[in-house]
Amino acid sequence: GEEVAQTPKHLVRGEGQKAKLYCPPIKGHSYVFWYQQVLKNEFKFLISFQNENVFDETGMPKERFSAKCLPNSPCSLEIQATKLEDSAVYFCASSQSIAGGNTIYFGEGSWLTVV
Amino acid sequence: QKEVEQNSGPLSVPEGAIASLNCTYSDRVSQSFFWYRQYSGKSPELIMSIYSNGDKEDGRFTAQLNKASQYVSLLIRDSQPSDSATYLCAVNPTFSGNTGKLIFGQGTTLQVKP
Repeated sequence: GEEVAQTPKHLVRGEGQKAKLYCPPIKGHSYVFWYQQVLKNEFKFLISFQNENVFDETGMPKERFSAKCLPNSPCSLEIQATKLEDSAVYFCASSQSIAGGNTIYFGEGSWLTVV
Repeated sequence: QKEVEQNSGPLSVPEGAIASLNCTYSDRVSQSFFWYRQYSGKSPELIMSIYSNGDKEDGRFTAQLNKASQYVSLLIRDSQPSDSATYLCAVNPTFSGNTGKLIFGQGTTLQVKP
């Protein structure tokens, strides 16, 4: 079935350490989205890709956060020098297109805990 | 004002009743609206999408959209304990062009009591 298999499912990092999360989109999907979910279900859009190209990065923090989607590799989200407030679930989603009626499929999320 | 607002609840209804979940949004030109269900610790699952004014029914679920009043609602008929989850309203804003991103409300927690 359709599944965005994010890894790792859980990640614990000490403050100041690097965290890297992975997201292989569903085969045939051209768009990848990253969302951050903090307490009380506040979903925040971070960035999206159309194939390898950044499509919309209006939600990305200016510092410490970066993301890539390279050919033949899972997409990745990297956080340099993590802070306590980065603790959240990071969801990746993919879709075939962004046309109306298109379904966005979410992965199970990567739980990042910064201690 | 948040772009998408929901009452966080919890909304508690007895089994078999109708659960009514509401959502308002601020971007008047939004065109696409979605309801996701999220069980604790799980990923959001799309249950309804709606694009035009009026009602859209799918099984026990009915989505209602009123663009003039900028609200979208979800009705769950014959509520079951398995419907207990957080329901997220999401809007695809178009003020900066359609980039596919979704703006989520904070979610409404629904509890269906047997």
